[in-house]
Amino acid sequence: DQQVKQNSPSLSVQEGRISILNCDYTNSMFDYFLWYKKYPAEGPTFLISISSIKDKNEDGRFTVFLNKSAKHLSLHIVPSQPGDSAVYFCAASATGNQFYFGTGTSLTVIP
Amino acid sequence: DSGVTQTPKHLITATGQRVTLRCSPRSGDLSVYWYQQSLDQGLQFLIQYYNGEERAKGNILERFSAQQFPDLHSELNLSSLELGDSALYFCASSVDPRPYEQYFGPGTRLTVT
Repeated sequence: DQQVKQNSPSLSVQEGRISILNCDYTNSMFDYFLWYKKYPAEGPTFLISISSIKDKNEDGRFTVFLNKSAKHLSLHIVPSQPGDSAVYFCAASATGNQFYFGTGTSLTVIP
Repeated sequence: DSGVTQTPKHLITATGQRVTLRCSPRSGDLSVYWYQQSLDQGLQFLIQYYNGEERAKGNILERFSAQQFPDLHSELNLSSLELGDSALYFCASSVDPRPYEQYFGPGTRLTVT
């Protein structure tokens, strides 16, 4: 049973435009959310997080939005750069217990 | 470089065999986590150790076991291997017992033939 879903396996965006990656979850007890970025032959690296007391968190070009009523979060990358091309995973946790990961979205930023 | 090391990078073995994957956490990190990523799947949490003790268990099969040693490195043992065990196995570490900021190793790719 997949508690965290990333329904778009891939996304292509022109350099300089906005990339929007989406993630849905089913467990209303989740209160902490993470995005990880993964390059080929490397492990995932932490990108940005958000707790359920917030609906937005920004870090430079990366912003995560959380819509608790819709059980949906999204990662916005503005402006997108070719170096952002990677697989992005969202993950969710309830009270700091194990994290549940989505299946990932492969982002390609076209120069 | 996350500071987490995993060996070996690749492992090819036959069904029914047993293998051991090794993980060294970042210096100072007390927690070690193991994840499995099968084809087209997200990372599935297997098990967590904190300072030598098992802290949390996920979807880990009974054929799999792990331990964390006094020097904090960890080993994941997979036995009676099946074709479906072919996957990437990631180790991650964190300072805290709660996995808010995990640092991942590069993974071990296991192929069972």
